[in-house]
Amino acid sequence: ETGVTQTPRHLVMGMTNKKSLKCEQHLGHNAMYWYKQSAKKPLELMFVYNFKEQTENNSVPSRFSPECPNSSHLFLHLHTLQPEDSALYLCASSQDFYGYTFGSGTRLTVV
Amino acid sequence: GNSVTQMEGPVTLSEEAFLTINCTYTATGYPSLFWYVQYPGEGLQLLLKATKADDKGSNKGFEATYRKETTSFHLEKGSVQVSDSAVYFCALSDGRFQGAQKLVFGQGTRLTINP
Repeated sequence: ETGVTQTPRHLVMGMTNKKSLKCEQHLGHNAMYWYKQSAKKPLELMFVYNFKEQTENNSVPSRFSPECPNSSHLFLHLHTLQPEDSALYLCASSQDFYGYTFGSGTRLTVV
Repeated sequence: GNSVTQMEGPVTLSEEAFLTINCTYTATGYPSLFWYVQYPGEGLQLLLKATKADDKGSNKGFEATYRKETTSFHLEKGSVQVSDSAVYFCALSDGRFQGAQKLVFGQGTRLTINP
């Protein structure tokens, strides 16, 4: 139990589909993050939320749309994705400088 | 901008061997430094951290010392086990960012330990 739960663990979607990734943290942290992990590339920060307000959008294409309804929940809405968007999507949360707590990730495959 | 460089992998060792994974960084100010580990099919887990120069982080037999003079944070373990096989990431905090901390990660080093 990491304290950060991501669902689903695996997702296969067509390029015309719309799907959502969910992240939930039970740690009382104030900040939540979406990262993309692709093969042979460094982790890419996508979005940052602090007290449910978005504080960074790291030049992410509009086909990725985040939503943070409260400090405990974070969503990533997906639509009209490309095959190169296939990756492991990681959610994390943090409080101050103690480092991130990561979820187990959603393995996304776009076909 | 801030960046982290890790030694190229993959690294393959025999059980009970000594491990070093090099990590150097470029940063302004005084970042905190971290090592994360990722086991197959999982997210990243915090392994250890150091928040100021000369601090030593340690956990599960792993150690790393924050060396400001060499801008390094090398990960070491005296005797590795098969269960240590994973991908290891070095990271630094990019300073407080409006209440959230932004971590910059290295590219990761895959470690395989053979029995």
